[in-house]
Formats: sequence, structure tokens, C-alpha cells
Amino acid sequence: TQLLEQSPQFLSIQEGENLTVYCNSSSVFSSLQWYRQEPGEGPVLLVTVVTGGEVKKLKRLTFQFGDARKDSSLHITAAQPGDTGLYLCAVDGSSNTGKLIFGQGTTLQVKP
Amino acid sequence: NAGVMQNPRHLVRRRGQEARLRCSPMKGHSHVYWYRQLPEEGLKFMVYLQKENIIDESGMPKERFSAEFPKEGPSILRIQQVVRGDSAAYFCASSNSNNQPQHFGDGTRLSIL
Repeated sequence: TQLLEQSPQFLSIQEGENLTVYCNSSSVFSSLQWYRQEPGEGPVLLVTVVTGGEVKKLKRLTFQFGDARKDSSLHITAAQPGDTGLYLCAVDGSSNTGKLIFGQGTTLQVKP
Repeated sequence: NAGVMQNPRHLVRRRGQEARLRCSPMKGHSHVYWYRQLPEEGLKFMVYLQKENIIDESGMPKERFSAEFPKEGPSILRIQQVVRGDSAAYFCASSNSNNQPQHFGDGTRLSIL
């Protein structure tokens, strides 16, 4: 059983479309992180959300942390081919070590 | 480039051989994490080390896998007597404390023939 469930698992859209991906759990978290991973590379941290209901924007990307701090969403406006990649959410699996627990990811393909 | 450096980027081994994966953390970072990623999946935590100490190895398989982070030199993830199921991408991340963001390397892709 996955602690973090991401949906959809795969998404293929045309350039210019909007999309939302989700990261859900039944557990409450003190914070949640979103990463993007491109083929052949390591994950790169996009944002950390901490407060329930928090919304953070990174250019065309909007991240929201659920009010109950159990879930999060990532919305991309006017997607571009450069947004193609694997989007991963992650939470801290231990207050002592900082080890991360990842969702299985959403693979996004943006076609020109 | 002051990022996390992993080598080799690609490693091919035959069943029964040993695989050694190296990770040089970012300058100034003394905390190293290893993760494993299977195709189309997220990353799974394996082990967390500080200089000369294993802090958390709860994600390491009980046999054949070991990790070290010596006082001098890179962190090493060692897999003995590799099997086909060990084929994966292995990522290293480093940070300057256990509650600071982790910076990832570009991984070592291990293929077992």
C-alpha cells in the first residue's frame, strides 16, 4: 500500500492545455514536496508546502496543500513541451532522519 | 559543477558479480541518502548516512547490500552477487542537515545481464 497515491499515472496533452495532477493520502503531514524528474536525470525540487491551504506559484505552476494537510495538487497552465517529465510528490518519512517517501509519480508528456 | 556527483552513470554487471556505486555529495554536505528507482516508479529510500556512520538503513535489503560514507572520499553503495532484480536506477542525495532540502545526483543505471 502506497502512503502517497498520485493520479493520474500518465498524462499526454497538447501544448497550451491546462492540467492538474494530484497527490493523496489518508495521513497528515507537516510538509510536502513536489519534484520534477526528466529522463536520465535526478529529481529536482520544485516547491515545499507547509501550511494547510497554502498555495504557491512558480511561473505557470500552482501548488496547493490541502486544508487538512493530507493531499496536494499541482496545476500547470498552458503546458509547454519543456514541462514534460515525471512529477513526484514526497513527504518526510521520519522526523529524525529526513528520509523522503515518494509517490509513484505522474508521467506528463506535452506534445508540440 | 558543485552538485552531487554519481559515478558511473551506467553500470553493466553479470549475475553474481559485485556492483559499486559512488556518490560525492555537494561541497559542505555531510548527510547522504541513497534511493532506488524501478521503471515507471517513484524513488524508494534505502539508507541514510553521515560521515562514518549509518544512521538509518531501514530501506536496505537484508542481504548483499551495504553502504558506507568514509571520513575521506565518496559514499559507496555496494551490491554483492547481483541478481536481475537489482536492475534499477540508484540515486544519491545530499544535504547539510536532516531537515534541509536534499539535492539529487543524476543516478547510476545498473543493468544486470
